[in-house]
Amino acid sequence: RKEVEQDPGPFNVPEGATVAFNCTYSNSASQSFFWYRQDCRKEPKLLMSVYSSGNEDGRFTAQLNRASQYISLLIRDSKLSDSATYLCVVNRGGSQGNLIFGKGTKLSVKP
Amino acid sequence: ETGVTQTPRHLVMGMTNKKSLKCEQHLGHNAMYWYKQSAKKPLELMFVYSLEERVENNSVPSRFSPECPNSSHLFLHLHTLQPEDSALYLCASSPGYNTLTGELFFGEGSRLTVL
Repeated sequence: RKEVEQDPGPFNVPEGATVAFNCTYSNSASQSFFWYRQDCRKEPKLLMSVYSSGNEDGRFTAQLNRASQYISLLIRDSKLSDSATYLCVVNRGGSQGNLIFGKGTKLSVKP
Repeated sequence: ETGVTQTPRHLVMGMTNKKSLKCEQHLGHNAMYWYKQSAKKPLELMFVYSLEERVENNSVPSRFSPECPNSSHLFLHLHTLQPEDSALYLCASSPGYNTLTGELFFGEGSRLTVL
C-alpha cells in the first residue's frame, strides 16, 4: 500500500460547485497533515494544515480521521482560479525531511 | 515573486554531459531540499541540507551530486544522466529542519530533459 494515496482525478466541476478530495495514508504513526496546491507548470505551495478537530479557511475545509487514516479537503463555491492539482502531504514525524507527498488530485473548474 | 529562485528553468542535456542546477533562497532559512517530480509520480525527496550539512540522502544515484556552500545556495551537479532522469527538479527551503510545520517554500523548478 502506498504511503499516501489520492484519487488522481481529474475532477471537472462547474463554477459554484462543492468538491471534495480524499486522501488515505498508511503509517499510523504519522503526526502532521497538510494540503498543498500546485498550479499547472508551477511549484507546490502550502494551502493549509489539517488539524485533528478539523479546520476551515474561507471556502476550504480540511478534516482528519486518524482512526481511518483519512484526510479530506472540501472546496465550496468553486472558482475558476481553484483549478490546480491538490497534493495531500503527510509528515511521518521527526523532521521536515519526512514529508510524504501524494501524487495529487487534479481539479478543473469550468465556467 | 518566489523567495526561492532556480536556474536554469529548462535544461536539455546528453547522457555524457555535465551540468549543474542552482538554487538560491532569499528567506533566511536554515534548511534546503532537492525534490524530483516525474510525470504521474509523487514528489520524491532527494537531499536535505540543514545549516549547510547534508542530513538526508535518499538512496539517490551517485550521478546526482549536491553541494551546499552556504545556507542560501544549493547546487545539484549532474553527470552521465539517463533518460529516465528527465523530470522537474524542485528546490525548497524551510526555516528549520527539525520542525513539523510542513511548510516548504519551493522554487519554480528546473525542467530537465536527458536525451
